Amino acid sequence: GDSVTQMEGPVTLSEEAFLTINCTYTATGYPSLFWYVQYPGEGLQLLLKATKADDKGSNKGFEATYRKETTSFHLEKGSVQVSDSAVYFCALSNFGNEKLTFGTGTRLTIIP
Amino acid sequence: NAGVMQNPRHLVRRRGQEARLRCSPMKGHSHVYWYRQLPEEGLKFMVYLQKENIIDESGMPKERFSAEFPKEGPSILRIQQVVRGDSAAYFCASSPRGDSYEQYFGPGTRLTVT
Repeated sequence: GDSVTQMEGPVTLSEEAFLTINCTYTATGYPSLFWYVQYPGEGLQLLLKATKADDKGSNKGFEATYRKETTSFHLEKGSVQVSDSAVYFCALSNFGNEKLTFGTGTRLTIIP
Repeated sequence: NAGVMQNPRHLVRRRGQEARLRCSPMKGHSHVYWYRQLPEEGLKFMVYLQKENIIDESGMPKERFSAEFPKEGPSILRIQQVVRGDSAAYFCASSPRGDSYEQYFGPGTRLTVT
């Protein structure tokens, strides 16, 4: 079945550092890919998405590119801020299927 | 526009009791999804409902778990005779249509079984 593997945390970075959180997937067909973010005490929010190969999703300075050849969707940000501290989830949905398949989440802490 | 609401946020039950988790979708949303997050694991799909109908319950345990989304009122996830292994965070999401591109999540209910 479909699955998502993402970088284990926790990840701790200094403010203004470069961020990469790795995500790879296994799926049949051509899934859509997502990054969700969960701030403390809140629900998950959609951060960005990509629906086909080579698409780049971007939002709030975060980017991720759908790489079919490596089955990856790594999350990057050039300069992180303290306010980016949260848990990040990579997820996919497959064609004709409304349910999301999630990775285990990566806790990110940014220190000033 | 209020977001997806879940209550209670924290629920403690003894083994053998019943747990009822409520989810009020965003206004105008008629599709509801329930996910469970066990400790140290990702969110796992449980069930997808539209008003008065269960569309996909492939992720629901076969026994003790049930879900409904009545014509009026919130969606309810019910767990009968809880066991320690049911301790988890339960998240609800809603959508204006059956489309994973727009699932809006609630803050979750953390169930602890003692």
